[in-house]
Amino acid sequence: AQKITQTQPGMFVQEKEAVTLDCTYDTSDPSYGLFWYKQPSSGEMIFLIYQGSYDQQNATEGRYSLNFQKARKSANLVISASQLGDSAMYFCAMTNTGFQKLVFGTGTRLLVSP
Amino acid sequence: NAGVTQTPKFQVLKTGQSMTLQCAQDMNHEYMSWYRQDPGMGLRLIHYSVGAGITDQGEVPNGYNVSRSTTEDFPLRLLSAAPSQTSVYFCASRNQNDGYTFGSGTRLTVV
Repeated sequence: AQKITQTQPGMFVQEKEAVTLDCTYDTSDPSYGLFWYKQPSSGEMIFLIYQGSYDQQNATEGRYSLNFQKARKSANLVISASQLGDSAMYFCAMTNTGFQKLVFGTGTRLLVSP
Repeated sequence: NAGVTQTPKFQVLKTGQSMTLQCAQDMNHEYMSWYRQDPGMGLRLIHYSVGAGITDQGEVPNGYNVSRSTTEDFPLRLLSAAPSQTSVYFCASRNQNDGYTFGSGTRLTVV
């Protein structure tokens, strides 16, 4: 069975600062994918970044980067230069080998202050 | 290109009533799935489908039925609504080389 653990229920950061949201995972699948989603107060799920288990380099998408440490089974999200619009709930998720389904963590609520 | 469309956006049911949450995608995605989101618990998988005619159970399938007669549609049926099914429901789809695309969600209240 797969499991995602997000240990930070809430995080605070000042505008323009960088912030790291933690995510650890557990799986016995040899191949898997890791995702981060943003859920603003409006409720929609917004895809941020993806990392494949066999990808050699850490994924980056604009201000988002994924710090993938396979041996430690961690997939932390780094947001550089935080903006007020980054205030939202952030979910880490992983897929199984067949990529048919996602398993989510419980989320981290990020609040960016001016 | 509408992506994943869920209807209705809001619904109030009485205990024991049945209803169907609709999900349609226009991206010709093979995989479709239903999740529920409860406070403090993230999203949990209810049912999923890897193609027309093929469905399987997820983590929390009890009280829900699905079918996949076409590639585009993946409805979720509540057989006899219970207050414990009060939740926000998300439908998602993906193709082999794509990420997951989520619908905007259905907020269901069972009284």
